[in-house]
Amino acid sequence: DIQMTQSPSSLSASVGDRVTFTCRTSQSISTYLNWYQQKPGKAPKLLIYAASTLQSGVPSRFNGGGSGTDFTLTIGSLQPEDFATYYCQQSYSTPLTFGGGTKVEIK
Amino acid sequence: QITLKESGPTLVKPTQTLTLTCTFSGFSLRTSEVGVGWIRQPPGKALEWLAFIYWDDDKRYSPSLKNRLTITKDTSKNQVVLTMTNMDPVDTATYYCALRGVEMTVARAFDIWGQGTMVTVSS
Repeated sequence: DIQMTQSPSSLSASVGDRVTFTCRTSQSISTYLNWYQQKPGKAPKLLIYAASTLQSGVPSRFNGGGSGTDFTLTIGSLQPEDFATYYCQQSYSTPLTFGGGTKVEIK
Repeated sequence: QITLKESGPTLVKPTQTLTLTCTFSGFSLRTSEVGVGWIRQPPGKALEWLAFIYWDDDKRYSPSLKNRLTITKDTSKNQVVLTMTNMDPVDTATYYCALRGVEMTVARAFDIWGQGTMVTVSS
């Protein structure tokens, strides 16, 4: 199985901040990396697929990058609605695996 | 508009079999490259992929749960069913079904999710 490690597990930030968090995989997955946003009590929502492609309707302040084993998700200017938990997921091979999540909290 | 909705029991006893149904609209599981997966999330924990079924009835399972899971589809009813045998309290979680649509053929991401259904395993 491909292991997914997200860091940090949580962070505190203010509205308007630029934040970046990372996802590392235990083996190379090219760009088969997806990012999801999950708010409390809600289903995950696809933000970015193929490491850097913004899903339709997702604001351009979200930016994904990386390939191989190291990936990043950057929020250019944090908005109140961005406080949530973010999960990475590899779709390179089954079993599909998710990271442990990064929770973005209000400072 | 594409929607998926999970249904099933909210409470099951240990050792029982769980049957969950994902009823969807706005797409067809007869369409090439389309698939539906099941993912679960224990309270306060991360997401865990369980199973996936393709338009051509090919199936994939989580190795750690493979012996307990069965995924099937009924294209005439627009449903995907997941059964999980020998339920245990550690299986308490919110269970989601999610679509991998045609647009996600290459990236293989889940682009539309159901709202989820909470299942508690307790005697």
